[in-house]
Amino acid sequence: EIVMTQSPATLSVSPGERATLSCRASQSVSSNLAWYQQKPGQGPRFLIYGASTRATGIPARFSGSGSGTEFTLTISSLQSEDFAVYYCQQYNNWPGTFGQGTKVEIK
Amino acid sequence: EVQLVQSGAEVKKPGESLKISCKGSGYSFTSYWIGWVRQMPGKGLEWMGIIYPGNSETRYSPSFQGQVTISVDKSISTAYLQWSSLKASDTAMYYCARPWNRGGGPIDNWGQGTLVTVSS
Repeated sequence: EIVMTQSPATLSVSPGERATLSCRASQSVSSNLAWYQQKPGQGPRFLIYGASTRATGIPARFSGSGSGTEFTLTISSLQSEDFAVYYCQQYNNWPGTFGQGTKVEIK
Repeated sequence: EVQLVQSGAEVKKPGESLKISCKGSGYSFTSYWIGWVRQMPGKGLEWMGIIYPGNSETRYSPSFQGQVTISVDKSISTAYLQWSSLKASDTAMYYCARPWNRGGGPIDNWGQGTLVTVSS
């Protein structure tokens, strides 16, 4: 089973600033990497697939990069609605394992 | 519009059985994988298993193999997650999810979640 490790566990950012979240896979997953956002009391929201392609309706301030074992999610200018927990997921091999999450909180 | 609508919250005692459901609409139910993701209180997301309604091929995560049963009823576009004997450690939110492929992702649609509480 592929292990996904996200860092940092918590990121404190001021509104309007840039946030950079990292995700590392224990072995190569090619570009088969997705990102999700989850707010308290809600289900996950699909953000990015193929490591860098935004899902339908996702604002351009969200961008993804990377391939192989190292991936990054960047939120260019944090809005109030972006404070949430973010999960990466590899789907190169079943089961499509998730990282443990990065909480983006207001500084 | 694709929708995955799950059954309501459940409160059960240890040792009891349970079957929760997820009804898909707005797409060809037999053409996409569908499955279940567990989220324990305050924790992250874990795939339990997926099933392809077209031929009932089922894949379980090693952690959940033998612990639960995933099934579908194509005639009513509904997927199920079943336990034969619940434990307190099964207390969690369970999300129905639609991955694009047999690797379990990406997941473009999620159900609203079913909270299962197991307590004596």
